[in-house]
Amino acid sequence: TQLLEQSPQFLSIQEGENLTVYCNSSSVFSSLQWYRQEPGEGPVLLVTVVTGGEVKKLKRLTFQFGDARKDSSLHITAAQPGDTGLYLCAGARAAGNKLTFGGGTRVLVKP
Amino acid sequence: NAGVTQTPKFQVLKTGQSMTLQCAQDMNHNSMYWYRQDPGMGLRLIYYSASEGTTDKGEVPNGYNVSRLNKREFSLRLESAAPSQTSVYFCASSLREQGRAAFFGQGTRLTVV
Repeated sequence: TQLLEQSPQFLSIQEGENLTVYCNSSSVFSSLQWYRQEPGEGPVLLVTVVTGGEVKKLKRLTFQFGDARKDSSLHITAAQPGDTGLYLCAGARAAGNKLTFGGGTRVLVKP
Repeated sequence: NAGVTQTPKFQVLKTGQSMTLQCAQDMNHNSMYWYRQDPGMGLRLIYYSASEGTTDKGEVPNGYNVSRLNKREFSLRLESAAPSQTSVYFCASSLREQGRAAFFGQGTRLTVV
């Protein structure tokens, strides 16, 4: 059982549609991060959220950290084919900064 | 600025062979990590090092050993490779403070036959 559960595991949508990816845990995290990974590459950081209830926007991407700091979501508005990739959430517990990843959500945006 | 460099990029081992994966970072980061990623999956933490001279087990440490040689280098050793260790291995580093980004190497694709 993973500490961070992501859903859905796979999402296929048409260009222009919206999508939301969820990252949930029964544990409290001091910070949560979202990464995107392209095939054959390592993950690259998109955003870090540290405050419960925090909302961050990065162009068409909106990230939210739950009030209790146990969950997070990533919302993409008007998805484009360039948004295709593996989206990973990662969290650090309060006791240290050992970074644990969720299982990932594979997003496919079809033109 | 090279960031995180992993070697080798590809490796094929026979069951029972040993090998060491090398990782070096030039960003003066305190924390370093080794993860494995199986097809279509997220990353699972093998070992973690908060600073030079310290290491800590992650989610899947069995069959692996690590060595934090100095601040720059963190190596992962497979003493007796098994087919279940076929995976892509990523090394990463970050500053120690909470919420700092982890920077990843390009990965090592390991096949054990």
